[in-house]
Amino acid sequence: QSALTQPASVSGSPGQSITIPCSGTSSAVGGYNYVSWYQHHPGEAPKLLIYDVTYRPSGVSDRFSGSRSGNTASLTISGLRAEDEADYFCGSYSRDTIVFGGGTKLTVL
Amino acid sequence: VQLVESGGGLVQPGRSLRLSCAASGFTFDDYAMHWVRQAPGKGLEWVSGINWSSGSVDYAASVKGRFTISRDNSKNSLYLQMNSLRPEDTAFYFCAKSSGLRSHFDNWGQGTLVSVSS
Repeated sequence: QSALTQPASVSGSPGQSITIPCSGTSSAVGGYNYVSWYQHHPGEAPKLLIYDVTYRPSGVSDRFSGSRSGNTASLTISGLRAEDEADYFCGSYSRDTIVFGGGTKLTVL
Repeated sequence: VQLVESGGGLVQPGRSLRLSCAASGFTFDDYAMHWVRQAPGKGLEWVSGINWSSGSVDYAASVKGRFTISRDNSKNSLYLQMNSLRPEDTAFYFCAKSSGLRSHFDNWGQGTLVSVSS
């Protein structure tokens, strides 16, 4: 069982927006500004989308945004595209280790 | 930036395996490096990390005492020596770079599959 909790799947239609929550604790997600989000197309290298809760690396589309409320972080993808169909993982620093969520499979209908 | 893992394969329980990660496209000794794994159908699990100088290393509780992370900055390479392998170590193993041991992973490799089975 993963340290951070994500829904197993979400779906949306092209052009819509979706939000993926990542629930943790006060010692992970809530306690540090070290929440990150990754996109993973199976068979490929995972890609960093968001770091330090809200920051986007250079080259990542501004359709991806991160936020946090209490012990829950969220990834929002706006203007869904077919190529967004992938697995999404949240990660956080917690008590001398790094923890991840179980991953959310995004289906673009 | 390119990270290419190698060394995976099928191994019997209790045996050893050594993974390698060849890095290019960045100044290798400016960054911490990590191993992260994903068991089939499961989420990601951080395995181990090493700082730029090898002066600081961390391990997940699940592998501490069995796995050893190391790096050779002269060869732009990261390694993971895995001993006393267990079936639950079966996973894709990814190497990833970060600015520090506590930081996010800004680049990843495609992974190498380790299968532990008799």
